[in-house]
Amino acid sequence: DTEVTQTPKHLVMGMTNKKSLKCEQHMGHRAMYWYKQKAKKPPELMFVYSYEKLSINESVPSRFSPECPNSSLLNLHLHALQPEDSALYLCASSLYFRGQNNEKLFFGSGTQLSVL
Amino acid sequence: DQQVKQNSPSLSVQEGRISILNCDYTNSMFDYFLWYKKYPAEGPTFLISISSIKDKNEDGRFTVFLNKSAKHLSLHIVPSQPGDSAVYFCAASAKKLVFGKGTKLTVNP
Repeated sequence: DTEVTQTPKHLVMGMTNKKSLKCEQHMGHRAMYWYKQKAKKPPELMFVYSYEKLSINESVPSRFSPECPNSSLLNLHLHALQPEDSALYLCASSLYFRGQNNEKLFFGSGTQLSVL
Repeated sequence: DQQVKQNSPSLSVQEGRISILNCDYTNSMFDYFLWYKKYPAEGPTFLISISSIKDKNEDGRFTVFLNKSAKHLSLHIVPSQPGDSAVYFCAASAKKLVFGKGTKLTVNP
């Protein structure tokens, strides 16, 4: 199994809603990532978890709250989002995160989020 | 400030010919470079990588060249196939992975 599975594929939410994005991998990877990608822009790193501990938070607003319940699962909890947060949210995993971040990343298909 | 630049938003080539995708970077601390391919409605998939201690890495039809003095790398695909049509992202790593904006490659039959 070389897949990173993300659910849901599409999400529409209002600015007062609370929702969660989910990501799962069964490759035994110990590092998991959240990226945000806006149209015609490159993916931008949001968070990195290594061995279920948060290693990097790229100054992401607190309305995005990551959670890594175990080595296979990664969640992104969303609350009070703004319309400018509408984007494709990509989850990725790699065997390890060594601080150099040079490990090959496996990406999920993403969740296309629209905030109304 | 873009640290990884892909100056060509799109490239169109004929099937069977060579595709050359270019990438420039500004940060001399980058020590590992990767290319990812992305189809619509899918996440990026890893294609090929190169360490800064090398100047060439080859994998089948794909070859990546690194010119450290020019801070430039390129991806060569030969021969190009219609299935190679996708967006190609260059990425560079120091403490974190930084992506370029991507180049959309179209291979015409």
